[in-house]
Amino acid sequence: DVKVTQSSRYLVKRTGEKVFLECVQDMDHENMFWYRQDPGLGLRLIYFSYDVKMKEKGDIPEGYSVSREKKERFSLILESASTNQTSMYLCASLGPPFVDEQFFGPGTRLTVL
Amino acid sequence: DQQVKQNSPSLSVQEGRISILNCDYTNSMFDYFLWYKKYPAEGPTFLISISSIKDKNEDGRFTVFLNKSAKHLSLHIVPSQPGDSAVYFCAASAEGSNYKLTFGKGTLLTVNP
Repeated sequence: DVKVTQSSRYLVKRTGEKVFLECVQDMDHENMFWYRQDPGLGLRLIYFSYDVKMKEKGDIPEGYSVSREKKERFSLILESASTNQTSMYLCASLGPPFVDEQFFGPGTRLTVL
Repeated sequence: DQQVKQNSPSLSVQEGRISILNCDYTNSMFDYFLWYKKYPAEGPTFLISISSIKDKNEDGRFTVFLNKSAKHLSLHIVPSQPGDSAVYFCAASAEGSNYKLTFGKGTLLTVNP
């Protein structure tokens, strides 16, 4: 089974802090994604990566950056956390033999005070 | 603009009856459609998908129908079970988009015993 793990299930940070959310997958997938989920808004794509050191902006990249130094790890960075970044953050990966079926981690519930 | 729309935020059905969840899309470049199921405090899990070359795909109790001319798809669950109670997300992708998925806002299905 594909396993996608996220470093924390719950995180509480202060406004202005730099926040790192880590995601690791064990299936050698090339594609990895970061989403946020908010009530009434569904899942919105923040950034994705289709190879090591390659990244592409999603629909809502403002206030975020990403890092993919190794194939199995994709990090989401909040350079200066703000209260409107309080959300559920979900990481996903995709690769052969699957076509378009992204595998999701359990999510990180981030609260910015 | 919302390219994938799930206009019903919630749906309630009796155990044993049929659940029908609907999804509309506006982008004619979408050629692959997926349904994901999400329980609280967990990441979404892939349920079923359909390619634009088909109009129906069935997997056990779950059937997805695609009407390309109407840009509409639906997920049928028969018979519905209490364990099906979850949020269901419709998602779509377009060829050449680096597997980027666009999600709807989700429909909360409640199956009552």
